[in-house]
Amino acid sequence: DGGITQSPKYLFRKEGQNVTLSCEQNLNHDAMYWYRQDPGQGLRLIYYSQIVNDFQKGDIAEGYSVSREKKESFPLTVTSAQKNPTAFYLCASSIQRDSYEQYFGPGTRLTVT
Amino acid sequence: QQQVKQSPQSLIVQKGGISIINCAYENTAFDYFPWYQQFPGKGPALLIAIRPDVSEKKEGRFTISFNKSAKQFSLHIMDSQPGDSATYFCAARRPDKLIFGTGTRLQVFP
Repeated sequence: DGGITQSPKYLFRKEGQNVTLSCEQNLNHDAMYWYRQDPGQGLRLIYYSQIVNDFQKGDIAEGYSVSREKKESFPLTVTSAQKNPTAFYLCASSIQRDSYEQYFGPGTRLTVT
Repeated sequence: QQQVKQSPQSLIVQKGGISIINCAYENTAFDYFPWYQQFPGKGPALLIAIRPDVSEKKEGRFTISFNKSAKQFSLHIMDSQPGDSATYFCAARRPDKLIFGTGTRLQVFP
């Protein structure tokens, strides 16, 4: 059963704590992406990775960090430097970096209080 | 900066009616224009896509119309059904990433 797994579905943290969101894919895709979704703002790109051990900042990378040590895994860390971390976070993958078809995971809703 | 503008933000349509969502872009370097559909609590999924050298593409009840000179494209959902109720995102492809519109929440009432 191929696809993208994000865990957990809901995550609660206290302000000032770092938190890591998991993203795993078994589609053998080269490219992976992290998006943030807020009401009325669509999908905004946080980070993306085209191959293992390589990643680039997206449009709103401040306060976030990523790693890509394995092809199937692309975890996102929301640091205490992120001013408004409460959001719905979506991980996606595509077969290669310039594919217009991205496969999305079910998302993680992060609430920071 | 917003490179793909989408409207309306929300849309209410009666069952059987036509839903129309519009998008406009500025960057002529975009080379593919996909639409994504997202149900509540789920991730988006590719619905249909069009190249800029094609004026219209139809898949079932879903049609993309593309106007290259006006830099506009739209999604038409014919015979809208309650099961079509979702958020729809237009997008445009650059060589390194997709640029998404802000989304349209569609509600289809019986």
